[in-house]
Amino acid sequence: KNEVEQSPQNLTAQEGEFITINCSYSVGISALHWLQQHPGGGIVSLFMLSSGKKKHGRLIATINIQEKHSSLHITASHPRDSAVYICAVRSPTSGSRLTFGEGTQLTVNP
Amino acid sequence: DTAVSQTPKYLVTQMGNDKSIKCEQNLGHDTMYWYKQDSKKFLKIMFSYNNKELIINETVPNRFSPKSPDKAHLNLHINSLELGDSAVYFCASSQGGTGWSDTQYFGPGTRLTVL
Repeated sequence: KNEVEQSPQNLTAQEGEFITINCSYSVGISALHWLQQHPGGGIVSLFMLSSGKKKHGRLIATINIQEKHSSLHITASHPRDSAVYICAVRSPTSGSRLTFGEGTQLTVNP
Repeated sequence: DTAVSQTPKYLVTQMGNDKSIKCEQNLGHDTMYWYKQDSKKFLKIMFSYNNKELIINETVPNRFSPKSPDKAHLNLHINSLELGDSAVYFCASSQGGTGWSDTQYFGPGTRLTVL
């Protein structure tokens, strides 16, 4: 069993819908990252969280340390949001090593 | 200017060959990484260097040898390529350290296909 589990694995939505992607982890962490991998393959860091909530444009990331759970929300989704969203955690005992979830493939249809 | 660059972007080669992938970052970061992304899109750390020193060495075959001539470069050399080495290899860099706020910046990836 992977230390970082994401759900759902695949998600199809209509333009304008509110989207939630979940990430659960089983280890103590110092930080959690949300990454976006574009259809062309490039990877971009969206958020880094150690507690609470962060917002950037239409993207919101939350984390509950006690429940070992994080969510990535996209409001008013758009076809250009179609990508793979990857959750990764950093353990305080693993230095700079990131452990990744398997990713969520999001497709937003017009 | 590209922050983290990799060459080549695509690499197609025969089994048994030796090949290298190069990575350079112009962010002034101290730490660099190599990740492998398999056909299921699962990313896994392979190596990490901090100031030219190896700090993470996951369980990868010793056919894979990273080399860091300076802290801006981390190259990956692969000997005796096998079919299972086909994947996308990503280089990344970060300022480093154990602080929680260390953001990693990824290169565009190198798609390696072994025939």
